[in-house]
Amino acid sequence: KQEVTQIPAALSVPEGENLVLNCSFTDSAIYNLQWFRQDPGKGLTSLLLIQSSQREQTSGRLNASLDKSSGRSTLYIAASQPGDSATYLCAVSGSARQLTFGSGTQLTVLP
Amino acid sequence: EPEVTQTPSHQVTQMGQEVILRCVPISNHLYFYWYRQILGQKVEFLVSFYNNEISEKSEIFDDQFSVERPDGSNFTLKIRSTKLEDSAMYFCAGSSGGAIEQFFGPGTRLTVL
Repeated sequence: KQEVTQIPAALSVPEGENLVLNCSFTDSAIYNLQWFRQDPGKGLTSLLLIQSSQREQTSGRLNASLDKSSGRSTLYIAASQPGDSATYLCAVSGSARQLTFGSGTQLTVLP
Repeated sequence: EPEVTQTPSHQVTQMGQEVILRCVPISNHLYFYWYRQILGQKVEFLVSFYNNEISEKSEIFDDQFSVERPDGSNFTLKIRSTKLEDSAMYFCAGSSGGAIEQFFGPGTRLTVL
């Protein structure tokens, strides 16, 4: 059974800092990996999707990498802003298409 | 930009009552999903739906749950007899392909008293 772990559980950084969020998964037979943002009491906003054949994806200040063989992904956020404060979720999709989620990293960017 | 919508945003019900949660997926999506998130816990998969039938379901999705797409646009999740432990945020999601990006709705917060 796929298990997804995210470290750290919470992170607090000053504005402007670059940061890395980590995600690991136990079964490397994934179809893709998706990073989401969740604001308190809100839905999930898709940030980036990495197909299993890809190594990384970029969108604006966000860069996600995937090392399928080692079961790891990172989300790099450049020049963090207070508006980036949210919970970031990593999820992997296997052959059955449903997403398996991690517990998330709660990010606080201090002004 | 098209979005997934869900109604109601918040539903309060008494234990044992039936509830129907509604979702309007993005029009070109073919695969539909329901997930739930109990407060403070991970988002969990419930069921996936394709071509008017269930394609996968988790162990959570027991006989109390059902899904349907009654009119080709709405996608509903019915809980036949709610329990206290059904209290959670329920998210609808869709994708245009089987293994590509899933887009989520804002969720329905279900509170069972």
